[in-house]
Amino acid sequence: EDQVTQSPEALRLQEGESSSLNCSYTVSGLRGLFWYRQDPGKGPEFLFTLYSAGEEKEKERLKATLTKKESFLHITAPKPEDSATYLCAVQGWAQKLVFGQGTRLTINP
Amino acid sequence: NAGVTQTPKFQVLKTGQSMTLQCAQDMNHEYMSWYRQDPGMGLRLIHYSVGAGITDQGEVPNGYNVSRSTTEDFPLRLLSAAPSQTSVYFCASSYRGRGEAFFGQGTRLTVV
Repeated sequence: EDQVTQSPEALRLQEGESSSLNCSYTVSGLRGLFWYRQDPGKGPEFLFTLYSAGEEKEKERLKATLTKKESFLHITAPKPEDSATYLCAVQGWAQKLVFGQGTRLTINP
Repeated sequence: NAGVTQTPKFQVLKTGQSMTLQCAQDMNHEYMSWYRQDPGMGLRLIHYSVGAGITDQGEVPNGYNVSRSTTEDFPLRLLSAAPSQTSVYFCASSYRGRGEAFFGQGTRLTVV
């Protein structure tokens, strides 16, 4: 059974304080690992796709990395507008997306 | 482009009532799915469809029905609402079942 576990559950940072979110996964036949951002009262919004260990993707202050067991979402010098819940999901051979519980990130000015 | 549109945004039902959550997409995506999101549980797949006329069960299908008569629409029916179905429901679509999915704004359902 495909599984995703995210940590921490919640993270509070000061503006400019860099950190990382963790996504541990087990999957049969990885087709892709995906990061989403979800703002309160909204649907998730796609951020990144990672396909194989060693791959990295960047977008503004966010960088996602992938190993065979984990993915990290690194946030460099965050701003208050980066506050959101970040969701990790994997897709295996069955083609279904399996999501983690999310990390609620708060950036204080 | 509207993307994925869900209606209604909010709904309160009494136990035993039935209702249909509507979902429509204008991106011509073959793959559509329904999730529920509960605190601490993440997004859980209810039902999905790989194309018109084809549907299948996800992780938590009990109490829900779906059908897919057109590419654009994928309604979710609650046959007899129960308090355990209180949740936020999201519809999503993607091109050929890829993991880069587009989500609707959600329907917040409360069953009393």
